[in-house]
Amino acid sequence: DTGVSQDPRHKITKRGQNVTFRCDPISEHNRLYWYRQTLGQGPEFLTYFQNEAQLEKSRLLSDRFSAERPKGSFSTLEIQRTEQGDSAMYLCASSRGLAGDTDTQYFGPGTRLTVL
Amino acid sequence: GQQVMQIPQYQHVQEGEDFTTYCNSSTTLSNIQWYKQRPGGHPVFLIQLVKSGEVKKQKRLTFQFGEAKKNSSLHITATQTTDVGTYFCAGKDPNTGNQFYFGTGTSLTVIP
Repeated sequence: DTGVSQDPRHKITKRGQNVTFRCDPISEHNRLYWYRQTLGQGPEFLTYFQNEAQLEKSRLLSDRFSAERPKGSFSTLEIQRTEQGDSAMYLCASSRGLAGDTDTQYFGPGTRLTVL
Repeated sequence: GQQVMQIPQYQHVQEGEDFTTYCNSSTTLSNIQWYKQRPGGHPVFLIQLVKSGEVKKQKRLTFQFGEAKKNSSLHITATQTTDVGTYFCAGKDPNTGNQFYFGTGTSLTVIP
């Protein structure tokens, strides 16, 4: 399978703990996006990488959230000192990063986080 | 800030009936994408519209981008049970880089 993969698929943690999620994009895709989705809502943009550079971060992203893409391939999203409000599906998407506005995003299956 | 709204939030149709969802942005968009998310699944890309007034068709699905590039619609003709899911539009604001703003989604139920 050459699609976007995410690990783990489910994570249950206690409030105050740190969690880290991994995303493996489609190979040779330059752009990688992280989104958060809660029940009944559309995906909410968190951050975006072009190769290894983190180019954009949502103003909604608190200091407890950090993302990396050290070699321009896989990415990790860490949430420190989790809160119950962090419970959501965390989605990763990748795209080729073509010039102009023809950029199709391919989503992974997501990591469902539950904070108790 | 940028807002993308969709109506209706929910739609129940009898199999064979048509379905339309509307997407409205508070600002002019550079492009708009449509995604389908099945229950328990992840969003799957359907199509992208870039030009003002653009219309694209995929079998029973017709997508339209408004002349002012602030609204879009998805129309499904003769719905089938396989059309069940939530349809999201996602717009790119030319003033905010490559960030896509997803709409609130329209959940479609098709009654056999």
